[in-house]
Amino acid sequence: AQSVTQPDARVTVSEGASLQLRCKYSYFGTPYLFWYVQYPRQGLQLLLKYYPGDPVVQGVNGFEAEFSKSNSSFHLRKASVHWSDWAVYFCALSNYNVLYFGSGTKLTVEP
Amino acid sequence: GALVYQYPRRTICKSGTSMRMECQAVGFQATSVAWYRQSPQKTFELIALSTVNSAIKYEQNFTQEKFPISHPNLSFSSMTVLNAYLEDRGLYLCGARDRGRAETLYFGSGTRLTVL
Repeated sequence: AQSVTQPDARVTVSEGASLQLRCKYSYFGTPYLFWYVQYPRQGLQLLLKYYPGDPVVQGVNGFEAEFSKSNSSFHLRKASVHWSDWAVYFCALSNYNVLYFGSGTKLTVEP
Repeated sequence: GALVYQYPRRTICKSGTSMRMECQAVGFQATSVAWYRQSPQKTFELIALSTVNSAIKYEQNFTQEKFPISHPNLSFSSMTVLNAYLEDRGLYLCGARDRGRAETLYFGSGTRLTVL
């Protein structure tokens, strides 16, 4: 069965510092993978998506993610974090018509 | 562009009563709609997947008797929470799949349910 694991429940970084949020997946076959962001008291917004092809995908607001089949990972990165990035980030895997979400990583940005 | 609207945005109901939430797809044909619940401090659990002209598939721990879903056409879906209790509170999201864009779900902003 498919699953998504986000090992870090909380991450704190300083504004301007680089960021990596980890995501590991389990899936038989080639996965479609996504990163979503949830700002306080809001729904989900799509940051980026991976379809089989180039392992590095670019998203909105300077985010990118790299797919690794050997590591079963899809980590999210940003070179310089802004205070407005303070949110919860969800990694998700697509299986036909539905998404299966990880438990989320809460990002706190310190001044 | 493709948008999904959910309403109401927020609702409060008394314990034991029911409430209905709606999901509207604009700018695309929603051949399938997935309903999710995010309980406080948790991730998104899949409740059910509804595909037009097919049976609705409920995940384990969720039933049609508790969460009946209607998906009458390619732009609209609704779900009712029957006999809501405290454990049903949370954010309910619908994700609609575009017929022409495989593997992409568009999400609404959700309906936040508070149960008193």
